[in-house]
Amino acid sequence: EVQLVESGGGLVKPGGSLRLSCVASGFTFSDAWMSWVRQAPGKGLEWVGRIKSKTDGGTTDYAAPVQGRFTISRDDSQNTVYLQMNSLKTEDTAVYYCSHPGRAAGPLWGQGTLVTVSS
Amino acid sequence: EIVLTQSPGTLSLSPGERATLSCRASQSVSSSYFAWYQQKPGQAPRLLIYGASSRATGIPDRFSGSGSGTDFTLTISRLEPEDFAVYYCQQYGSSPYTFGQGTKLEIK
Repeated sequence: EVQLVESGGGLVKPGGSLRLSCVASGFTFSDAWMSWVRQAPGKGLEWVGRIKSKTDGGTTDYAAPVQGRFTISRDDSQNTVYLQMNSLKTEDTAVYYCSHPGRAAGPLWGQGTLVTVSS
Repeated sequence: EIVLTQSPGTLSLSPGERATLSCRASQSVSSSYFAWYQQKPGQAPRLLIYGASSRATGIPDRFSGSGSGTDFTLTISRLEPEDFAVYYCQQYGSSPYTFGQGTKLEIK
């Protein structure tokens, strides 16, 4: 089955860190460019960043609000993409989704994991 | 950064009516990397249309997408009760990938 499954969300204090994971199945993960998207409570969708495939350089891009605090990485041997979030702020509270946007049959999304940043 | 602006912000229609949702880009977007999503409360976004006009797997044919360049449209030919939700457009051809702010389709 083609799917993405996120995990690692939870409650963290401002200034803290959290690492999210997204496990892929049903497609050739090593060829995929992967993205993270978030949605704050009651708000719209916000792109967080992406990582290219290693064959395309494996480089990353980030949205301005998370640049320098968040890091996306991948482990192709585990079909997993990660989102390391440091120096978390209350405004980072959101459901975080991973996505495989460049799939031939259209973007694939996971079901999301909730991150709550609160003291 | 490509800014996507959706209109209207809210659309009030009755079941059986036709819905037309618009998404305008601040600069030209590759049609190959343009999508529409439906989202209901508490659920992940559901892919409706990709490549500007291709329906995703399992999407009813009352949903159709069109457009190119800077103007894109999602049309729902005859609204069913389950179609009332929030709809988002997205471009994923140019980083940063961006979303429209959403159109809420509500029952009149």
